[in-house]
Amino acid sequence: AQRVTQPEKLLSVFKGAPVELKCNYSYSGSPELFWYVQYSRQRLQLLLRHISRESIKGFTADLNKGETSFHLKKPFAQEEDSAMYYCALIDSSYKLIFGSGTRLLVRP
Amino acid sequence: DGGITQSPKYLFRKEGQNVTLSCEQNLNHDAMYWYRQDPGQGLRLIYYSQIVNDFQKGDIAEGYSVSREKKESFPLTVTSAQKNPTAFYLCASRPRSTEAFFGQGTRLTVV
Repeated sequence: AQRVTQPEKLLSVFKGAPVELKCNYSYSGSPELFWYVQYSRQRLQLLLRHISRESIKGFTADLNKGETSFHLKKPFAQEEDSAMYYCALIDSSYKLIFGSGTRLLVRP
Repeated sequence: DGGITQSPKYLFRKEGQNVTLSCEQNLNHDAMYWYRQDPGQGLRLIYYSQIVNDFQKGDIAEGYSVSREKKESFPLTVTSAQKNPTAFYLCASRPRSTEAFFGQGTRLTVV
């Protein structure tokens, strides 16, 4: 069965430090992977998707099929990056599943 | 205002009662989803629907039911069989080739 694993519940860093939020997946086919973000009192929204290979708000994520990972990275964290981050996978039947989420706290 | 709308924002239910949560979208999206969000457990998929009159169970469908009679609407009924219904429920919709869009959520409390 498909599965998305985010091993860290909480990641706390200081402003300006690098950030890496981990995401591993299990899926036998070719998945489509996403990172979603939920800022305080806002709707869950897309941050980026692996197909587009964009950098959004300084964040990037590279799909590593060998390691079945899709880690989210940012070289210099900002306080406004503090939020809940979810990794998600959609399979060929349009089933969209999420990991348990990682809370990122960026301290001043 | 276009988008995806969940109502009500807060809902209280007595034990043993069924309750229906509304989800409407005017984005012409084919797929719709219901999730339950609990602290520390992320979003768990309850049901999803790819097209009208068709839906599939997610990972935690027991105690829930859905219908998809119209493209715009995907209501979720929390039945009395759901042992622990108090939670935050999120609805999402998605066109075929892009990301999902989420509603504001409904917080259900069993009293």
